[in-house]
Amino acid sequence: DIQMTQSPSSLSASVGDRVTITCRASQSISSYLNWYQQKPGKAPKLLIYTTSTLQSGVPSRFSGSGSGTDFTLTISRLQPEDFATYYCQQSYSPLYSFGQGTRLEIK
Amino acid sequence: QVQLQESGPGLVKPSQTLSLTCTVSGGSISSGSSYWSWIRQPAGKGLEWIGRIYASGSTNYNPSLQSRVTISVDTSKNQFSLQLTSVTAADTAVYYCARDGAYCGGGLCFFDYWGQGTLVTVSS
Repeated sequence: DIQMTQSPSSLSASVGDRVTITCRASQSISSYLNWYQQKPGKAPKLLIYTTSTLQSGVPSRFSGSGSGTDFTLTISRLQPEDFATYYCQQSYSPLYSFGQGTRLEIK
Repeated sequence: QVQLQESGPGLVKPSQTLSLTCTVSGGSISSGSSYWSWIRQPAGKGLEWIGRIYASGSTNYNPSLQSRVTISVDTSKNQFSLQLTSVTAADTAVYYCARDGAYCGGGLCFFDYWGQGTLVTVSS
């Protein structure tokens, strides 16, 4: 099984800040890494797929990078609506797995 | 616009079987190369992938749940279903169904459409 580890588990930031969330896989997953945003009481929303491709409608302040085992999600200028929990997910193996999540809170 | 809707009992007794159905609208469950997944989330915790099915009936399951999980598909009704046997309180969670992209293959898979989720509580 491929284990996904996110860091940090939680993060406090202010509107306008640049933030980076890291996701590490227990083995190489090439570029098959996806990112989701989840707000309380809602289903997750796809932000980025295959490391760096923005899903339609996702603002360009979101970006992703990485390959192999180490990946990052960056939000360039935080907006109030970005405060949420973020999850990475690998699709390299057909036995999918998620990171434990990173909760992004307002400072 | 593809839409997914989970349905099923909100309360299941311990040791019994949890059964949920996901109804797909706005597109055929057999179209493209989509897989269809079940994902769950205990209150205040992270996402756990349960398993997925292709329209042909081919499945993959989370190894930690494999002995208790069955996912099936009914293409005539545009539905797929989850059965989880011998449930305990640890299976209490919001259960989501989701589509693995329009053309899932070779790792290029991602959950682009989700149901709203349904809370299943395991309690006597």
